[in-house]
Amino acid sequence: QVQLVESGGGVVQPGRSLRLSCAASGFSFSSYGLHWIRQPPGRGLEWVAVIWPDGSQKHYADSVKGRFSISRDNSKNTVDLQMNSLGAEDTAIYYCAKDNHNILTGYFGTDYWGKGTLVAVSS
Amino acid sequence: DMQMTQSPSSLSASIGDRVTITCRASRDISTYLNWYQQKPGRVPQLLIYGASRLESGVPPRFSATGSGTDFTLIISSLHPEDFATYYCQESYSPPFTFGPGTKVAIK
Repeated sequence: QVQLVESGGGVVQPGRSLRLSCAASGFSFSSYGLHWIRQPPGRGLEWVAVIWPDGSQKHYADSVKGRFSISRDNSKNTVDLQMNSLGAEDTAIYYCAKDNHNILTGYFGTDYWGKGTLVAVSS
Repeated sequence: DMQMTQSPSSLSASIGDRVTITCRASRDISTYLNWYQQKPGRVPQLLIYGASRLESGVPPRFSATGSGTDFTLIISSLHPEDFATYYCQESYSPPFTFGPGTKVAIK
C-alpha cells in the first residue's frame, strides 16, 4: 500500500534552516508529482510546493518562494524540502502528498498524504 | 494571485440533512477544482477532483458541480462520520491554492 513518511521536523530558532524529508513506498515513485502542504496548528491548509515526476519543474507558494527548495531522488524514493530563513509564520505541520495526475485529462488531486511532521519556529 | 473563498465558513446540521458548500475562485479555473475532507486530528482526504469526479472509495452521497469560478460540494444526506472541515483547492496552475475551509458541525 502507498506510504509516505515525513521526518526532520522539530523546534528551530527564527532565521535558521531545516530540511524535511519524505520517504515513499507502495507506488511507482518516479511517475507522480509530489507536494508539500502545511497546516498551522488549528488553522487551514496551505499548499507549499510541488515537484514534477522527473524533477523538471518545481513550483512554490509566494509565501515561501526564495526561501524553500523542493527536490527529489527517484533512485531513493524520497522528496525533500529545504527550508531557509524560517520565521514564526512557518510554524505548522508539514505534509508530504502524492498527486494522482491524469495525463489525459490534466486533472490531479493529492490522493495520499503522510501523517505530517511538526515544525515549530521559536526562540 | 489566485484567491479561493468558501461559504459558509461554518454550519450546523443534523444527521440526514442535505448540506451544500460553495467555493469561488478569483478567476476562471475551468473544472480544475478539488474537494477534501479533514476530520479532527486526521490527515485530509481527497473527495472530488476535476470539479465533479468522485475519488475512488468515496461514498456516493458526496457530489460536486461547477466550472469557471463557482463550485459546489453537496452531501445529500449527512452521516455522523461527515462532521469535518471541507476544503476546496484549485488545480489549474501552481500555486495550487486552498480555500479557507468550511466546518460542518453537529446541530
